[in-house]
Amino acid sequence: GAGVSQSPSNKVTEKGKDVELRCDPISGHTALYWYRQSLGQGLEFLIYFQGNSAPDKSGLPSDRFSAERTGGSVSTLTIQRTQQEDSAVYLCASSSDRALQTQYFGPGTRLLVL
Amino acid sequence: KQEVTQIPAALSVPEGENLVLNCSFTDSAIYNLQWFRQDPGKGLTSLLLIQSSQREQTSGRLNASLDKSSGRSTLYIAASQPGDSATYLCAVGAGNKFYFGSGTKLNVKP
Repeated sequence: GAGVSQSPSNKVTEKGKDVELRCDPISGHTALYWYRQSLGQGLEFLIYFQGNSAPDKSGLPSDRFSAERTGGSVSTLTIQRTQQEDSAVYLCASSSDRALQTQYFGPGTRLLVL
Repeated sequence: KQEVTQIPAALSVPEGENLVLNCSFTDSAIYNLQWFRQDPGKGLTSLLLIQSSQREQTSGRLNASLDKSSGRSTLYIAASQPGDSATYLCAVGAGNKFYFGSGTKLNVKP
């Protein structure tokens, strides 16, 4: 596609529910990152994919967070039993062939946990 | 752990001024450094990526410098315009990930 897309753009959920966030990277990009941006903060790294494997998942804050990538393309970030502190903007970025290249970001998913 | 700091947190200037945004990092063992702009409610747009072996990169009115040994980078914006108003983030690349600063929010007044 022309750019990185994410869905939904906004998600409001109740505390304790599970949510799934989707990222479609630029076609052909093998590296994919998930970040979290809380209000007024910088970006917090969550997980890095190279192809379908995740060599670095050190940023996932708890075992309620998981992510997968299929077909070397679409990635899904799942948050189970959401908490209010999970409220943030979740951003996805892709780059062409490996880590630490120019990153192209999607518009983000704004998650609000009530 | 790599810590990235950006100063100032906010900056307001009149149109036409040249300005400098600062980024410092604590661990000089970096692979590269990237500057982004973020417009309200939107994702990030990459402006410049500077490799650890480079001293500077230029794109149009933007110039980024890198002094790895002192842990500093600057983004110079020449002849600022109202359209430059945004938050500017620097990100240090090391290992498999980028470490981001909290950003400088720039307002260029017409």
